[in-house]
Formats: sequence, C-alpha cells, structure tokens
Amino acid sequence: DAMVIQNPRYQVTQFGKPVTLSCSQTLNHNVMYWYQQKSSQAPKLLFHYYDKDFNNEADTPDNFQSRRPNTSFCFLDIRSPGLGDAAMYLCATSSRTARGTEAFFGQGTRLTVV
Amino acid sequence: TQLLEQSPQFLSIQEGENLTVYCNSSSVFSSLQWYRQEPGEGPVLLVTVVTGGEVKKLKRLTFQFGDARKDSSLHITAAQPGDTGLYLCAGVNKGSSNTGKLIFGQGTTLQVKP
Repeated sequence: DAMVIQNPRYQVTQFGKPVTLSCSQTLNHNVMYWYQQKSSQAPKLLFHYYDKDFNNEADTPDNFQSRRPNTSFCFLDIRSPGLGDAAMYLCATSSRTARGTEAFFGQGTRLTVV
Repeated sequence: TQLLEQSPQFLSIQEGENLTVYCNSSSVFSSLQWYRQEPGEGPVLLVTVVTGGEVKKLKRLTFQFGDARKDSSLHITAAQPGDTGLYLCAGVNKGSSNTGKLIFGQGTTLQVKP
C-alpha cells in the first residue's frame, strides 16, 4: 500500500498559470518535505515542515509556497511557473526513530510548463 | 556549501564488475541513509547506518559508516544491469536534528552494461 501519495503523477501547466501539487501520507510522520529534482541531479530541498513549523531554504524562490493544513496533507503552490520550473517534484515524510531519520518518498509529480 | 559530497557522480561499468561509491562530509551525522532511484520514480530507501564503523549487507551491496560518522560508502559486488540507477546518500546532520532537515549528496548515476 502506498504510504506517501502524490497527485497528480504528471502535470502540464501554462507559463505563468498557478499550479498546485498535492501530497498525502498515511504514516503519521511529523516531518514533510518538498524537493525539486531535475534530470540526473540529486533532489534539491525547497522547504520542509517539522510538525507545523515551516522551514524555508534560503535559495528557494518566492514563487514557491507551501501549505500543510494537517499532519497528513501538504501542498506545493507555484504561483507563476516559468520554463525553468519544469522538473520532478518529490514529496517525502520522515520521523525520528532509534535508527535515525528515514525518509519515505512519493512517486513524484512530473511538471511540464508550456 | 554542499554538506554531503558524493563521488563519483557518474559510473559506467560492465556486468560483473565491482564498484564503490563514497559519501563524505566534514560534519557529523547521527545516521546516514542510502537510497536508489529509478527514472520517473521517487527514491527508495536501501539502508540506514547509525553506529560509527557499522557495516551492513544487502545481498551484493555492502554499506559502511565511518568511525567518526562523517562518511559512508556503498560497495556493489558483481554488478548487474538491474543495479542501474541513481544512488543517493542522505542524512540529517547533528546541527539540524531539531528541524529534521534531510539533505542529499549529489548522487551517483550508475550504468551497468550487459
């Protein structure tokens, strides 16, 4: 059973048209992340939530916003997508255990900007 | 500043060869994780190493955590085409343990030719 679910898997949006990507989890983890990944590169952290505390990366453009209305759901809003925002967007969750922080990823949303 | 330096970034080998991927940092990590990602999918957790000097084996994959918990390695014995993918190390460094910020190395793209 999928534990981190991202919708949609593929999203096509127009240049400048706001778009929202969604993520839900059934793990009840307190930390949720959004990463941007471009071809053959490592995931780049955009921001993450530790419970309700929002942690934005210094180099994340203001064009990217996020909402976490409850433990299970997290949204990525791109206010005015540019061609350079085309990428795979990965949502992940984690919690601290005796084994450290282990993250579980969704399958990603592939965003195309036309 | 890249907290986790991963090398090599690209590796193309023949089936049956051995290889080692390195993940190095100047920071101490409470644990490090290794993930494998296939094209179009999210990263999948392979292993977590927690104790300095720890060695874990997963079939033909051997993972080691450095004694000082600043570095880790992944060794694959007799690589197979099915091992092809992007290998990522990741961790939460001790300074970010209160926020759960999970960061990745640059990744190693492995291609195993039949």
